[in-house]
Amino acid sequence: GQSLEQPSEVTAVEGAIVQINCTYQTSGFYGLSWYQQHDGGAPTFLSYNALDGLEETGRFSSFLSRSDSYGYLLLQELQMKDSASYFCAVKANQAGTALIFGKGTTLSVSS
Amino acid sequence: NAGVTQTPKFQVLKTGQSMTLQCAQDMNHNSMYWYRQDPGMGLRLIYYSASEGTTDKGEVPNGYNVSRLNKREFSLRLESAAPSQTSVYFCASSASGTGHPYEQYFGPGTRLTVT
Repeated sequence: GQSLEQPSEVTAVEGAIVQINCTYQTSGFYGLSWYQQHDGGAPTFLSYNALDGLEETGRFSSFLSRSDSYGYLLLQELQMKDSASYFCAVKANQAGTALIFGKGTTLSVSS
Repeated sequence: NAGVTQTPKFQVLKTGQSMTLQCAQDMNHNSMYWYRQDPGMGLRLIYYSASEGTTDKGEVPNGYNVSRLNKREFSLRLESAAPSQTSVYFCASSASGTGHPYEQYFGPGTRLTVT
């Protein structure tokens, strides 16, 4: 089967750096995606890693190690608006681009 | 562009009633998806459609049916609602062949309660 594991909650203060880890089990790995969801809102795409290494997009970076079946999302210079749930996802074993999501990590940023 | 739209936003059903959740996208995407989200469970794939005219089961298809009416629209039907189907339902779409193939665009969700 397919599964993704990520911590359920992370807390941090404004201006800090936080790392959200994700380990996955899947066959036919095509890449790791990250999504952000604010309370009551829709998930929005953050990043996608197909190859090993770090991808940087502004304050957010995402890392992948295919040999370890592991990735993480790094959030720098945290702001209150970063308080949200973050989901990692991999391609579902079915055809096409359907995704299987982890259960999500709730990030709480305090002042 | 409206992106992905869903109707209704909220719905309360009694056990055994049926209803159809509507979804439409105006981004000319080939692929569309239905997910449900329950507290602590993340997003679970119900059905997806890789292209117009095709549909496939996801992780939790029991109790649901779908129709890919055309390239824009993908509906989800509950034939006989059960309390276990109380959830938030999200529709999503993605392009294929260009950009990030696993970048999905989500609608605002339908909050369904079955009593």
